[in-house]
Amino acid sequence: GESVGLHLPTLSVQEGDNSIINCAYSNSASDYFIWYKQESGKGPQFIIDIRSNMDKRQGQRVTVLLNKTVKHLSLQIAATQPGDSAVYFCAGSSDTGRRALTFGSGTRLQVQP
Amino acid sequence: DTEVTQTPKHLVMGMTNKKSLKCEQHMGHRAMYWYKQKAKKPPELMFVYSYEKLSINESVPSRFSPECPNSSLLNLHLHALQPEDSALYLCASSGPGNDEQFFGPGTRLTVL
Repeated sequence: GESVGLHLPTLSVQEGDNSIINCAYSNSASDYFIWYKQESGKGPQFIIDIRSNMDKRQGQRVTVLLNKTVKHLSLQIAATQPGDSAVYFCAGSSDTGRRALTFGSGTRLQVQP
Repeated sequence: DTEVTQTPKHLVMGMTNKKSLKCEQHMGHRAMYWYKQKAKKPPELMFVYSYEKLSINESVPSRFSPECPNSSLLNLHLHALQPEDSALYLCASSGPGNDEQFFGPGTRLTVL
């Protein structure tokens, strides 16, 4: 099955710094990954996704890197803002279970003003 | 309309009650999902409906009964729940040809 986990439960950064949140996965058949942001009392909000035929994808202030060799992905947030404070989840799926996302345990990002 | 809506926002029920959670989307998505999220934990998949048919049931107890009346609506019927079923219940949807799942705000369920 799919197993997706995170390295750190809490990350504290200064406003304006760049943030890096890491995620490891165990299923080598995983071919789709997605990052969500969840604020307190809200549902997960899509940030960015990436397929296994790519190793990097950029969005607005965010970049996802995928290293299939070591089964690792990361979310980079540039110029972190107080509004970025939330819990960040990575999730993955394999083609055979395309619609079954397995979530990692989550990292809480705290942005200090 | 680019959102998933869920009602009610909060629900408190006794162990002998019967209640239903509702989810709605008007994005033309043909896959809809129920997830359960305990405090400080990630969402866990419960059910997946694809084209109004149940395609995945993650060994969820029968006291949770999903229903997909049409392509825009997804219900979760609750009966004889236990206090440990208290959680945030999230609904999501995704479109054909696009794996990105859009989540609703969730229903906060408390079972007394």
